[in-house]
Amino acid sequence: NAGVTQTPKFQVLKTGQSMTLQCAQDMNHEYMSWYRQDPGMGLRLIHYSVGAGITDQGEVPNGYNVSRSTTEDFPLRLLSAAPSQTSVYFCASSYSYYSGFDTDTQYFGPGTRLTVL
Amino acid sequence: GQQVMQIPQYQHVQEGEDFTTYCNSSTTLSNIQWYKQRPGGHPVFLIQLVKSGEVKKQKRLTFQFGEAKKNSSLHITATQTTDVGTYFCAAVTSTGTASKLTFGTGTRLQVTL
Repeated sequence: NAGVTQTPKFQVLKTGQSMTLQCAQDMNHEYMSWYRQDPGMGLRLIHYSVGAGITDQGEVPNGYNVSRSTTEDFPLRLLSAAPSQTSVYFCASSYSYYSGFDTDTQYFGPGTRLTVL
Repeated sequence: GQQVMQIPQYQHVQEGEDFTTYCNSSTTLSNIQWYKQRPGGHPVFLIQLVKSGEVKKQKRLTFQFGEAKKNSSLHITATQTTDVGTYFCAAVTSTGTASKLTFGTGTRLQVTL
């Protein structure tokens, strides 16, 4: 298994540009999520999905869109990039979305480092 | 909303010394998870604690969940240079339809010889 993959690894955008960060997993996980990581602030949840066709907002959803048309893929779209979106973005997946199960282990992708000028 | 504080933010120890990071929540938690992130890497799951007062060990790492399920700690005995990284706790809360993780701000550990 490749686990969780993310593309691209690095990206530089100009303010106002749009782009899609790709995330895919081959573990047949139901739950997928996107986080952003900024210095001194830990990881903050942007959006998450509990299955194909179902998404919901996390802690910091503004400026980001998601969709989940398949179990494997969960792309994150920036419609009009802003310098405040400069960050490292991590995609994660887990087998189940119910708490209390050992299968709640979150598997993180390698991350996308995004700079918005 | 859910707030999870971690202390200290940074700790520098000499190899062989012990290290502890503490995680405190403003609300009672369902479960708590711990992750390690090496410099330039991604978070890697270490453990999940579920029961009040639970203590789990992984070699030199000891994880504890408070009796009130509002705090947790990670203790590393006799640190090694391979322990370098940032340790995050993550509070698991259930909304009924899904569980969410709220990450603490992390403790960065530096170990020198």
